Amino acid sequence: SQQGEEDPQALSIQEGENATMNCSYKTSINNLQWYRQNSGRGLVHLILIRSNEREKHSGRLRVTLDTSKKSSSLLITASRAADTASYFCATGANDMRFGAGTRLTVKP
Amino acid sequence: NAGVTQTPKFQVLKTGQSMTLQCAQDMNHEYMSWYRQDPGMGLRLIHYSVGAGITDQGEVPNGYNVSRSTTEDFPLRLLSAAPSQTSVYFCASSYWQGDTEAFFGQGTRLTVV
Repeated sequence: SQQGEEDPQALSIQEGENATMNCSYKTSINNLQWYRQNSGRGLVHLILIRSNEREKHSGRLRVTLDTSKKSSSLLITASRAADTASYFCATGANDMRFGAGTRLTVKP
Repeated sequence: NAGVTQTPKFQVLKTGQSMTLQCAQDMNHEYMSWYRQDPGMGLRLIHYSVGAGITDQGEVPNGYNVSRSTTEDFPLRLLSAAPSQTSVYFCASSYWQGDTEAFFGQGTRLTVV
């Protein structure tokens, strides 16, 4: 079974709005990663947050981690049409597992 | 720097045929892995390797075989293709799995008829 589960499954917003995606996982982790996948392409790494971190920023991305709730969120601020993609969280070491992803559509 | 290279990009097989999906990386990464992605779903781990000569099974290993004779290459073999193996296959590599970012290939779209 997949380790991470993203929510919502799909999200549609207007350009300029913020997009928030959530990830829940089942077991204890050392870190959690977020990836983006443009249609038909390979995954691209966005950000890694370690279990002893609560929040991390990278450009327009903000990731939070709550290990007590086994959950993480990815916030994309001031979204652009180019942010349209699927977003996945991933956990695990040697056997890194991905959730089913959130499909984000940003309308111009 | 080519990163992770997968070949072929597209392949059509008949049921029962065998084939090898190639994956090569030029970043001297110890860790490599294979995933499959079915429509509307996330990635499921097939097999992975933590270094040359070492492989292990992932979530969905049945029907697939791997070997790791060099650091650079990690081929995935379909022993006897079945329609259920129709999927997009991704190869990934990283310095150390789970603790650093993984780099993905562009995928191989496989159709088994």
